[in-house]
Amino acid sequence: GNSVTQMEGPVTLSEEAFLTINCTYTATGYPSLFWYVQYPGEGLQLLLKATKADDKGSNKGFEATYRKETTSFHLEKGSVQVSDSAVYFCALTSKAAGNKLTFGGGTRVLVKP
Amino acid sequence: EPEVTQTPSHQVTQMGQEVILRCVPISNHLYFYWYRQILGQKVEFLVSFYNNEISEKSEIFDDQFSVERPDGSNFTLKIRSTKLEDSAMYFCASRGGGDSNQPQHFGDGTRLSIL
Repeated sequence: GNSVTQMEGPVTLSEEAFLTINCTYTATGYPSLFWYVQYPGEGLQLLLKATKADDKGSNKGFEATYRKETTSFHLEKGSVQVSDSAVYFCALTSKAAGNKLTFGGGTRVLVKP
Repeated sequence: EPEVTQTPSHQVTQMGQEVILRCVPISNHLYFYWYRQILGQKVEFLVSFYNNEISEKSEIFDDQFSVERPDGSNFTLKIRSTKLEDSAMYFCASRGGGDSNQPQHFGDGTRLSIL
């Protein structure tokens, strides 16, 4: 079956630091990959997605590249802000697994001023 | 931007009681989902629903659970006789039709507390 592994947090950074959150996956078929973000007290919001190998998803300064050879989809941001403090979830779907989302465990990021 | 709405935001219920969690998916979406997140654990798939029937359900979704789309807008999750271990955050999601790569859009969740 499908599975997603992402680095455990919490990750604590200073403002303007570089952020990387590692995510690797195993999947049946050809998955689509997603990053969701959960701000305090809110639901899950789609941050970015990539649907095929070598695609790069990007949004709000965050980027992630679909690497089929390493089965990875690492999230990066060059200069974080306090407002980026949240929990980040890597997730995937595949047609072979019925298009349900399989989530990683989430990584809490705390950005300090 | 259209969004998925869930009510209530917090539900406190005695063990053994029935509970209904409500969701209004995005209006032109065709695929509907429920997920749950027990405190400190992963977000887990419960059930998917399309064309007025369950498409897939997980092992968690046993006979105590049911889903319904009673009208053109609501999508509900019912737990018939709640257990302590049902305490969790429950998320509803919906997805548009056609391309299976369309992302799922989530509501803000209902926190269910079983006493």
